[in-house]
Amino acid sequence: AQSVTQLDSHVSVSEGTPVLLRCNYSSSYSPSLFWYVQHPNKGLQLLLKYTSAATLVKGINGFEAEFKKSETSFHLTKPSAHMSDAAEYFCVVSPSGTYKYIFGTGTRLKVLA
Amino acid sequence: DVKVTQSSRYLVKRTGEKVFLECVQDMDHENMFWYRQDPGLGLRLIYFSYDVKMKEKGDIPEGYSVSREKKERFSLILESASTNQTSMYLCASSQGGRSYNEQFFGPGTRLTVL
Repeated sequence: AQSVTQLDSHVSVSEGTPVLLRCNYSSSYSPSLFWYVQHPNKGLQLLLKYTSAATLVKGINGFEAEFKKSETSFHLTKPSAHMSDAAEYFCVVSPSGTYKYIFGTGTRLKVLA
Repeated sequence: DVKVTQSSRYLVKRTGEKVFLECVQDMDHENMFWYRQDPGLGLRLIYFSYDVKMKEKGDIPEGYSVSREKKERFSLILESASTNQTSMYLCASSQGGRSYNEQFFGPGTRLTVL
């Protein structure tokens, strides 16, 4: 069965330090993978997506993620956290050939001044 | 600016009431989705529609129904609201085709059932 595991429910970093949000997935051959961000009282916004092109994907606001098939991972990173990055982040997998999008349970990122 | 709008941001209903949540998208998307979002559970799919009048059950369809009479509008119906349906409801849309198209989300409706 397809699934997504976000390994940390909460992550705290200091402003200016790197961010790492971890995501592992279980899916069929060639899934599409997404990261979404949800700021308080806002809808979800796409950060980036992987659809079998380059394995290193660059997104908005300086975020990027690397698709590692051998590790079934799609971790989200950013070199330097900003206060405005404080939000909840969702990793999503969509198995090839389906309409389904399977969401992880979310990681809440806190950025300390 | 592309948009998915939901009829209400906050809604309070009583147990047993029939509740309608409306979603409209202006992007001419084929696919539309209803999710509920609960703390620690992420987003769970209730129903989705890939064309007008077409619908498929998601992971948690019990207690819900949907209607899609026009391409741009997708309604979620709670036939008889119960307290365990208190949640945040999110509507999304995406282009036709499968799996690789991003979803666009509305701002959500926070429903409280008393």
